[in-house]
Amino acid sequence: TQLLEQSPQFLSIQEGENLTVYCNSSSVFSSLQWYRQEPGEGPVLLVTVVTGGEVKKLKRLTFQFGDARKDSSLHITAAQPGDTGLYLCAGRKVMEYGNKLVFGAGTILRVKS
Amino acid sequence: DAGVIQSPRHEVTEMGQEVTLRCKPISGHNSLFWYRQTMMRGLELLIYFNNNVPIDDSGMPEDRFSAKMPNASFSTLKIQPSEPRDSAVYFCASRGDGERTIYFGEGSWLTVV
Repeated sequence: TQLLEQSPQFLSIQEGENLTVYCNSSSVFSSLQWYRQEPGEGPVLLVTVVTGGEVKKLKRLTFQFGDARKDSSLHITAAQPGDTGLYLCAGRKVMEYGNKLVFGAGTILRVKS
Repeated sequence: DAGVIQSPRHEVTEMGQEVTLRCKPISGHNSLFWYRQTMMRGLELLIYFNNNVPIDDSGMPEDRFSAKMPNASFSTLKIQPSEPRDSAVYFCASRGDGERTIYFGEGSWLTVV
């Protein structure tokens, strides 16, 4: 069982369409991050959200952290083929020794031209 | 600046053989992570080092897995003996003191036949 559930698992859309990816949990996180991973490479950090209700924009990408800091969403406007990749959310949990980053299983996005 | 450097990029080995994966973190980073990524389980934290000391190894699957960090610029993840179910992409990542951003290497693709 994943601590962080991402949906949908797969998404195939046409260039120019909008989409939203969700990341949900029953646990509270001190912060949440979104990563994008391209084939043959490691994940690359897109954004970190810290405050409940926080909204951050990165060009055509909009990230929102839920008020209770248990969930998050990533919205892409006018998707481009270059947005294709695996999108991972990761929640930071406070441990005795510090923080631990827990990843969701990811959403595979394919944007067709 | 060089990112996290992993070797080998690809390895195919026979069941029962020893596998050693290597990682050079970003210079100056004091936290190092080994992750394993599979389709079934996503990205899982195997072990976390801070200042060369293992802090959290709860994700190490079993005694066949071991990790060392003899100095600040080098870490190894060893599997002995390897099994087909160990086939996965193994990522090393590092983080600077007080930073939220984790930088991933390009991964080591392991296939055990």
